[in-house]
Amino acid sequence: GAVVSQHPSRVICKSGTSVKIECRSLDFQATTMFWYRQFPKQSLMLMATSNEGSKATYEQGVEKDKFLINHASLTLSTLTVTSAHPEDSSFYICSGEAPSSYEQYFGPGTRLTVT
Amino acid sequence: AQTVTQSQPEMSVQEAETVTLSCTYDTSESDYYLFWYKQPPSRQMILVIRQEAYKQQNATENRFSVNFQKAAKSFSLKISDSQLGDAAMYFCAYIGGTSYGKLTFGQGTILTVHP
Repeated sequence: GAVVSQHPSRVICKSGTSVKIECRSLDFQATTMFWYRQFPKQSLMLMATSNEGSKATYEQGVEKDKFLINHASLTLSTLTVTSAHPEDSSFYICSGEAPSSYEQYFGPGTRLTVT
Repeated sequence: AQTVTQSQPEMSVQEAETVTLSCTYDTSESDYYLFWYKQPPSRQMILVIRQEAYKQQNATENRFSVNFQKAAKSFSLKISDSQLGDAAMYFCAYIGGTSYGKLTFGQGTILTVHP
């Protein structure tokens, strides 16, 4: 099956700093990637949809200036959490949409802790 | 807007027994896909099974099968011969023809398997 990687798997940063999370589709080209946020024992909440070469589409209530998404190539999307605060601590998951398919392949997630 | 509802926050089953997880959804679309995802403690999302709405036959994948009732908008997952490795959080998810690839997830069901 298609594989999606995320880096880093865990990151701890200080309040006020920025952190970048990378999402890569390793064996397929993902024209569309998705970023989710998940709190413990809760469902995945879609943050934004990222299309290669264009601006991301953010869900209602998600601050686009705080969560910067770049999809520069068909295999790489990045999420940058700017001026992170403790309330941004969460589990972030990306997924890539397989070509000509509605299936999404998920990365292993990144646990962000802001101190 | 489409909604997906999982009414069982937690379920448990004895090893080797059968368990059914419930899912209902609401949509006005005629063309859509339904999925069950498994999220084990590692938090990696794994696709368990998918069902195309236009197909009347219920999907099966080894020990996993679904009961798709289109008129009732119900999509339950049956796990037969449960194994310890089936313990995870299970999410029902929906993609409609006009959703532009956006997955709508249910709240999730935590499945515990007792030896």
